[in-house]
Amino acid sequence: SAVISQKPSRDICQRGTSLTIQCQVDSQVTMMFWYRQQPGQSLTLIATANQGSEATYESGFVIDKFPISRPNLTFSTLTVSNMSPEDSSIYLCSVEAGVISGANVLTFGAGSRLTVL
Amino acid sequence: ELKVEQNPLFLSMQEGKNYTIYCNYSTTSDRLYWYRQDPGKSLESLFVLLSNGAVKQEGRLMASLDTKARLSTLHITAAVHDLSATYFCAVGTSRGSRLTFGEGTQLTVNP
Repeated sequence: SAVISQKPSRDICQRGTSLTIQCQVDSQVTMMFWYRQQPGQSLTLIATANQGSEATYESGFVIDKFPISRPNLTFSTLTVSNMSPEDSSIYLCSVEAGVISGANVLTFGAGSRLTVL
Repeated sequence: ELKVEQNPLFLSMQEGKNYTIYCNYSTTSDRLYWYRQDPGKSLESLFVLLSNGAVKQEGRLMASLDTKARLSTLHITAAVHDLSATYFCAVGTSRGSRLTFGEGTQLTVNP
């Protein structure tokens, strides 16, 4: 299965600033997914990033707040803009990696833990 | 809107005991996943269940799916401390690999 590297693994940020998270995959993948995991909560899909087209955002997430780049088939970035303490979360990158019993399985990166002060 | 609910959300159990985690979902789905997350780590895929009556087992964990009841279970047999983690179920739909996750069940196995 694919190996995903995320940077940074954690960061402490000031309110009002922006931070870009990088996701690097060791193989070419069609779709990359960005999830958010707020403290003590489950994962929520932010957007799907396809190479060569604009990302598709889920309800409640907008491009101005979470701009995404997908310059090639192995790399994507997610920017968290104009951060507030409510943005303190773990942000995870995931890709379809492998098939089990005929179904695609998502593999996740280790996550980027952001704390906004 | 697809909703996925797990229970219990917190589970503390003794080593050697059995228990079941439940995952209910609100709309028709064509696949259900179970993931494990250790503290500070990412998610590890455990099982994929695709059809009604599907049962998968790995070690002390067994997952099953009842699509008519929209229910999946994760059964833990003779728990050991190494199983302490948070377990998530996630449901997929025909919209590709987009998954909706349950709230997670934080399992603690005490010696």
